[in-house]
Amino acid sequence: DAGVTQSPTHLIKTRGQHVTLRCSPISGHKSVSWYQQVLGQGPQFIFQYYEKEERGRGNFPDRFSARQFPNYSSELNVNALLLGDSALYLCASSLAGVRAQETQYFGPGTRLLVL
Amino acid sequence: GESVGLHLPTLSVQEGDNSIINCAYSNSASDYFIWYKQESGKGPQFIIDIRSNMDKRQGQRVTVLLNKTVKHLSLQIAATQPGDSAVYFCAENMNNAGNMLTFGGGTRLMVKP
Repeated sequence: DAGVTQSPTHLIKTRGQHVTLRCSPISGHKSVSWYQQVLGQGPQFIFQYYEKEERGRGNFPDRFSARQFPNYSSELNVNALLLGDSALYLCASSLAGVRAQETQYFGPGTRLLVL
Repeated sequence: GESVGLHLPTLSVQEGDNSIINCAYSNSASDYFIWYKQESGKGPQFIIDIRSNMDKRQGQRVTVLLNKTVKHLSLQIAATQPGDSAVYFCAENMNNAGNMLTFGGGTRLMVKP
């Protein structure tokens, strides 16, 4: 069975540009969460989506937005890119995600470099 | 704010020895804890989890211990192998926080052959 998939694997953008990252959860999983991992640090929570609705949001500016589609895949959008947005963006899926204590499985991530 | 942290940034062990990776958490409302392994260029891989109503949980070659009194979590790896070399993260989840995981900074485990 396929795990969590993310695209693209790598991306280079310049400051001020916009980027869209994509994630497909494990088959049967309905919840997707996004995390940002800066080099040398642990992942930081950005968003959680379940049944196409935002269920949680971390401490990130409004330049970050996301959505979930009827097939439970998800997109993360970042506008007006800054150098500090350079990071590994991770997607994690879980069965439902409406309660805590559900195992989250991570994808390989999209490495974004902003020049 | 409260966060999960780790005592040791780097741990070097001999192949075949046991490894112990420690983690301190400060949020008393956290009731679910997870250990992830992250190899270079990959996403975090689930290793083992433990709920707050347990003190110990064992998997294959791994054991997680939870001490709620001192808010301490540890991951024990038996007979450490070169393939165990990676960065290990502990993460915590609060019951009213949905899927939001709070990660510590990570410990790099290096296994010497």
